[in-house]
Amino acid sequence: RKEVEQDPGPFNVPEGATVAFNCTYSNSASQSFFWYRQDCRKEPKLLMSVYSSGNEDGRFTAQLNRASQYISLLIRDSKLSDSATYLCVVNGDFGNEKLTFGTGTRLTIIP
Amino acid sequence: GAVVSQHPSRVICKSGTSVKIECRSLDFQATTMFWYRQFPKKSLMLMATSNEGSKATYEQGVEKDKFLINHASLTLSTLTVTSAHPEDSSFYICSARDPQGGWEGYQETQYFGPGTRLLVL
Repeated sequence: RKEVEQDPGPFNVPEGATVAFNCTYSNSASQSFFWYRQDCRKEPKLLMSVYSSGNEDGRFTAQLNRASQYISLLIRDSKLSDSATYLCVVNGDFGNEKLTFGTGTRLTIIP
Repeated sequence: GAVVSQHPSRVICKSGTSVKIECRSLDFQATTMFWYRQFPKKSLMLMATSNEGSKATYEQGVEKDKFLINHASLTLSTLTVTSAHPEDSSFYICSARDPQGGWEGYQETQYFGPGTRLLVL
C-alpha cells in the first residue's frame, strides 16, 4: 500500500462548481497533514494544514478523519485559477519532519 | 513568508559530468534543508535531509556517493549529482525549515525552493 494515496484524476470541472478530493495515508502515527498546490513545472506551495476539527480558508475546506486515515479537500465556487495539481502531504510521527507526498490530483477548471 | 532560492533553475549537461545545485535560504537561517526529486507525473520523493555542519541523512535507495550533499552554512546547501546519466534527469527541489517561521500542523513550516530542472543528454 502506498504511504499516501490519491485519485490522480484528472478532474475537469466547470467554473463555479464544487469539487472534492480525497486522500488516504498508511502511517497511523502521522501527526501533521497538509494540502499543497503545484502548478505545472513549479514547486509545491502550501495551501492549508488539515486538522481533526476541520478547517476552512475562504472557498477551501479541509477535513481529517484519523480513524479512517482519510483526508479531504473541498473547493467551492471554483475559479479558473484553481487549475493545478493538488498534493496530499503527510509527515511522520512527532519529531519526524519528513514529508511524504501523494502523487497529486490534477484539476482543470473549464470556463 | 520566507524565501528559498535555487540555482540554476535549469541545466543541461552531458552524460558523465557532474552538476551542482545550490539551495539558499534568503532571509532566515536553516539548520535543516531537504532535497526532493520529482519525475514527470510522479510524486515528490525525499532524497535526503541536509543538516548544517553534519552529514546528510539519505533515504533508502538514494546513493550517497552519487548525490553529494554539503550544508556548510546556515543559509546554503548544495546537491552535486556526480557522473550524471540520462536517468538522473528530473526536477530537483529543496526545502528549508525556518525555526522562527511558525508552525504548520505539528512541525515547523517548510519552505520550498523553485526547483532545478536537470536534463542529462
